Amino acid sequence: GAGVSQSPSNKVTEKGKDVELRCDPISGHTALYWYRQRLGQGLEFLIYFQGNSAPDKSGLPSDRFSAERTGESVSTLTIQRTQQEDSAVYLCASSFANRDTQYFGPGTRLTVL
Amino acid sequence: EDQVTQSPEALRLQEGESSSLNCSYTVSGLRGLFWYRQDPGKGPEFLFTLYSAGEEKEKERLKATLTKKESFLHITAPKPEDSATYLCAVLLSGGYNKLIFGAGTRLAVHP
Repeated sequence: GAGVSQSPSNKVTEKGKDVELRCDPISGHTALYWYRQRLGQGLEFLIYFQGNSAPDKSGLPSDRFSAERTGESVSTLTIQRTQQEDSAVYLCASSFANRDTQYFGPGTRLTVL
Repeated sequence: EDQVTQSPEALRLQEGESSSLNCSYTVSGLRGLFWYRQDPGKGPEFLFTLYSAGEEKEKERLKATLTKKESFLHITAPKPEDSATYLCAVLLSGGYNKLIFGAGTRLAVHP
């Protein structure tokens, strides 16, 4: 079946611009996660959505970062007023409710010039 | 502070030369430990989940084991196609859902 998909695969932007990253989870997966992977570092948790519950935003690094999810489908991660330190690969994952294994998408590589 | 440390950072093997990758963790409570494989430019691909000390999982040339302080990913008679970065992650007990990742081990297998 189809896996997690993300778009765009690559995004180059100028410092100060806003960007939106999109994630389509695996069909039937009610849990959705965003992570950030900086060069040479481990993945860092950003935010978690589960059904209609309030999202866990504890990993968002600043108020420039926000995310939304429409029901149990698509999610968008928005970064406002991008900075060079935001350059990273942004990865989305999804899972079934009450199941531990998270399945990852291919990521969006964000480069802030 | 909850922490996951992987060693070595990089490993170069000859084809057929077996070895092990290490993942040590210091966490408040462990619900599960995960191994993923990541190829360049791609997202992590799930390999194994381990829940209890003493548990072992196998898949082709890979075997993952778990103790109370660390996990090992054993690679038996590796092939060049096993070259990738191997990521270890832990899921905490207590209702948390985020994975805490180590920095990974970059494995290169040469013919």
